[in-house]
Amino acid sequence: DIAMTQSPATLSMSPGERATLSCRASQSVSTNLAWYQQKPGQAPRLLIFTASTRAPGIPARFSGSGSGTEFTLTISSLQSEDFAVYYCQQYNNWPTYSFGQGTKLEIK
Amino acid sequence: DVQLVESGGGLVQPGGSLRLSCAASGFSFSSYSMNWVRQGPGKGLEWISYIGSTGYTIYYADSVKGRFTLSRDNAKNSLYLQINSLRAEDTAVYYCARDAPPALDYWGQGTLVTVSS
Repeated sequence: DIAMTQSPATLSMSPGERATLSCRASQSVSTNLAWYQQKPGQAPRLLIFTASTRAPGIPARFSGSGSGTEFTLTISSLQSEDFAVYYCQQYNNWPTYSFGQGTKLEIK
Repeated sequence: DVQLVESGGGLVQPGGSLRLSCAASGFSFSSYSMNWVRQGPGKGLEWISYIGSTGYTIYYADSVKGRFTLSRDNAKNSLYLQINSLRAEDTAVYYCARDAPPALDYWGQGTLVTVSS
């Protein structure tokens, strides 16, 4: 099984700052990686797929990068609505998936 | 608009059973594979099962294999998850999600299953 590890567990930042979230796979997943955002009491929302492609309707301030085992989600200038939990997910073993444990992005 | 609406959750005793449903609308349900993902209280996301568009291909996570059964009725635009031999660790919000490789592009709001005596 492919294990996904996200860091940091919690990231405290201020609106307007640039946020960088990391995700590491236990073995190469090529670019078969997605990112999701989840707010309290809501379902996850797809942000990024194939490591760097924004899903429809996702603002340009969200960007993804990486390949193999190291991936990054960057939010260029944090807005108040961006404070949430973010999960990475690999689908290299599609149709079985695995998620990282999440990074909570909180207001400093 | 794509909509996925889960139902069937509730409080059940250890060892009990439940049948979860997911009603789909706003897209051609029979053309898409579907998944169930769960989230324990205060925990992260756990993928638990996949079903192909025709219903013939099904995969389960090891944590639920042998206890959970996934099926679908394309005529009714519905997905079902039969969960048996429930354990405390099965307590979670259960989400259905559309499979649009390479990701899960639409999710329902979830249904809560609580396993407790």
